[in-house]
Amino acid sequence: GAGVSQTPSNKVTEKGKYVELRCDPISGHTALYWYRQSLGQGPEFLIYFQGTGAADDSGLPNDRFFAVRPEGSVSTLKIQRTERGDSAVYLCASSSDGSYNSPLHFGNGTRLTVT
Amino acid sequence: DQQVKQNSPSLSVQEGRISILNCDYTNSMFDYFLWYKKYPAEGPTFLISISSIKDKNEDGRFTVFLNKSAKHLSLHIVPSQPGDSAVYFCAAIFYGQNFVFGPGTRLSVLP
Repeated sequence: GAGVSQTPSNKVTEKGKYVELRCDPISGHTALYWYRQSLGQGPEFLIYFQGTGAADDSGLPNDRFFAVRPEGSVSTLKIQRTERGDSAVYLCASSSDGSYNSPLHFGNGTRLTVT
Repeated sequence: DQQVKQNSPSLSVQEGRISILNCDYTNSMFDYFLWYKKYPAEGPTFLISISSIKDKNEDGRFTVFLNKSAKHLSLHIVPSQPGDSAVYFCAAIFYGQNFVFGPGTRLSVLP
């Protein structure tokens, strides 16, 4: 079956611009996560959805970052007024039932470059 | 403050030999641990996990060992194959927390 799909795979934008990153989770997976990975580091938690609601957004670095999942499936991560420090690979993951220790299934990520 | 540490950024092993990847953690509340494998330009894929009530879990060529008193876990790959060359991430979690990942170890298996 299809895995987690993320689009675009690469995004180059200028400092100060707005970007949207999309995630299609595995069908039927209720839990959806966004992580960010910088060079040489492990994935860093941003936000977690259980269904349509953000169950935990404590990892969002500041109010320029926002994520939605209006119908409990597809999610969009939105970054306003991008900064060069936002450059990273943004990873989306889903899990089947949101049990706290259910393994995450990751997409291939969106590589964001802010120039 | 890194809660999950992987102190070896890289490791090289000869094909057929054992690969041992190490992970240390600082938060004693972690009760579930996972290993992920990542190829370039792909997302991490789940490899194996272990609950804190166990000290060993085995799946084919992969075995994870947990030493709770030392707050240390390790992943053993036997025998190592060239296709195992990837970056390996250790991750930990407890109820109410989200997965915390280490910085990764790049494994190179030499033919």
